[in-house]
Amino acid sequence: GQSLEQPSEVTAVEGAIVQINCTYQTSGFYGLSWYQQHDGGAPTFLSYNGLDGLEETGRFSSFLSRSDSYGYLLLQELQMKDSASYFCAVSLNTGGFKTIFGAGTRLFVKA
Amino acid sequence: DARVTQTPRHKVTEMGQEVTMRCQPILGHNTVFWYRQTMMQGLELLAYFRNRAPLDDSGMPKDRFSAEMPDATLATLKIQPSEPRDSAVYFCASGNRQDGGEAFFGQGTRLTVV
Repeated sequence: GQSLEQPSEVTAVEGAIVQINCTYQTSGFYGLSWYQQHDGGAPTFLSYNGLDGLEETGRFSSFLSRSDSYGYLLLQELQMKDSASYFCAVSLNTGGFKTIFGAGTRLFVKA
Repeated sequence: DARVTQTPRHKVTEMGQEVTMRCQPILGHNTVFWYRQTMMQGLELLAYFRNRAPLDDSGMPKDRFSAEMPDATLATLKIQPSEPRDSAVYFCASGNRQDGGEAFFGQGTRLTVV
């Protein structure tokens, strides 16, 4: 079957750096996306990795290693407003495209 | 600014009633997704369309759910008859990546079936 794993919770202090890992076991892997969701809000797209390596967008970076079936989201200079849930999502090509979301990582940023 | 618009934002209905949720994707996006989010199951893909054609609805209970795109500016998700277990937040998202990555979500419809 298809599965994604990410930690359920991470806590960090304001100004610090935090890394949220995502490992997957899938067939037909095509790409990895990251989304942020605040309580009561909608998922917001953060980044997409179709190729191995690092993608940087401001304070956020995302990394993918296809050979290790692994990716991570790196958040730098943490701010209180970064407290939210973060989801990795894999795009699969299994004869047609499909997206599966991980269960999400709840990030708590402390002062 | 461009955004995905969903209506209604909240819906409370009695078991057995029909529910219709609507979505206006971002202009120019050719792929539209319907997701359901619950505490127990997380985010589940129900159906998606590319250029208005349904590509995958394997995540949707076929006996009671149906999804359509009557035109490029409107996607609908219907539940008939609704059941309490359908209570969830339903999100519509749109994008241009055929693989479903980089999708932009609407604010969701919070459905409660009593």
